[in-house]
Amino acid sequence: DAGVIQSPRHEVTEMGQEVTLRCKPISGHNSLFWYRQTMMRGLELLIYFNNNVPIDDSGMPEDRFSAKMPNASFSTLKIQPSEPRDSAVYFCASSSHNRGRGNQPQHFGDGTRLSIL
Amino acid sequence: QQQVKQSPQSLIVQKGGIPIINCAYENTAFDYFPWYQQFPGKGPALLIAIRPDVSEKKEGRFTISFNKSAKQFSLHIMDSQPGDSATYFCAASRPSNTGKLIFGQGTTLQVKP
Repeated sequence: DAGVIQSPRHEVTEMGQEVTLRCKPISGHNSLFWYRQTMMRGLELLIYFNNNVPIDDSGMPEDRFSAKMPNASFSTLKIQPSEPRDSAVYFCASSSHNRGRGNQPQHFGDGTRLSIL
Repeated sequence: QQQVKQSPQSLIVQKGGIPIINCAYENTAFDYFPWYQQFPGKGPALLIAIRPDVSEKKEGRFTISFNKSAKQFSLHIMDSQPGDSATYFCAASRPSNTGKLIFGQGTTLQVKP
């Protein structure tokens, strides 16, 4: 199994530019999570999807952030316009959780390290 | 009530020592308590998990102790090794169809040779 695949691994861009982060979850997983990790705030859940439908986006910091999951094998997190305070590592995770099967582990990608200059 | 509070923020032990990381929660609806391990440049990975119907779970050198009445759980690493140096996150979730986890703030562990 290839695991959760994120791209790009590193992104450096100037303030004001649009940034798009991509995620391919593990095949067969029905839940997908986007996290942001910083030294100050730790691991923050931004948004999560279940069966391609956004369930809770209350962690999205501002309207500059948006996420989509057009199909079961692809999701994007977009920041427009980007700001220096958006610099962080962004993780995507997926799981095959459903209430009947009980809790299943979340499998994380290796993240995208984003630097906004 | 959705928070999971983790301590300490950082920890340094000598090889062979037994680091202990503690977590506390408020929401009694939580029924699943995993620990994740993260190495630099990598995403967190599931290490071990426990449910509140047991007070202890061991997997190799890693042990979770769970105190339901105190709403606390902790991770013990027996005979710690330099390769255990990583960031550890506790988490909790309640019954749902999505598997959403509430993570603690993380503990950076350094095991000195």
